[in-house]
Amino acid sequence: GAGVSQSPSNKVTEKGKDVELRCDPISGHTALYWYRQSLGQGLEFLIYFQGNSAPDKSGLPSDRFSAERTGGSVSTLTIQRTQQEDSAVYLCASSLYSVAGQPQHFGDGTRLSIL
Amino acid sequence: KQEVTQIPAALSVPEGENLVLNCSFTDSAIYNLQWFRQDPGKGLTSLLLIQSSQREQTSGRLNASLDKSSGRSTLYIAASQPGDSATYLCAANRGSNYKLTFGKGTLLTVNP
Repeated sequence: GAGVSQSPSNKVTEKGKDVELRCDPISGHTALYWYRQSLGQGLEFLIYFQGNSAPDKSGLPSDRFSAERTGGSVSTLTIQRTQQEDSAVYLCASSLYSVAGQPQHFGDGTRLSIL
Repeated sequence: KQEVTQIPAALSVPEGENLVLNCSFTDSAIYNLQWFRQDPGKGLTSLLLIQSSQREQTSGRLNASLDKSSGRSTLYIAASQPGDSATYLCAANRGSNYKLTFGKGTLLTVNP
């Protein structure tokens, strides 16, 4: 596609429910990244994929968070038993390769609100 | 641990003014530094990427500089326009690490 696509754009759910956030990267991009943007913390790295594998999950805040990527393309970030502190904008980015010299291209994010 | 700081947090200028946004980082072992723009409710748009071996990059009215030894980068915007109003973020890769560490951004308002 022309850019990184994320869905849904907005998600409101009750505390304790599970949510799934989807990211469709730029076609041909092998690397995919998830970040979280919250008011107090700014932008934080969550997880990174090279192809379908996730060499670095160090940013996931708890075991309630998981992510997968299939076919080297679409990725899903799942948050189980959501808590109010999970409210944030979740941003996905992709790059051609997973090396530091490659610019990362971002989607518009999913704004998650936990009631 | 890399920390990235942006000053000021907010800036308001009249149209036509030249301005400088500042970014500082604590670990000089960066691989590159990237400047982004974020409009309300939108994702990040990459503006400029400076490799560690470079001193500056230019694109149109934008010029970004990098001084690794002092741990600083600046984004210069010439002849500012109301359409430049947005939040500007800088982010650094530490070493060859793909992970970006972001500053909290500068909210720029350009008044007509």
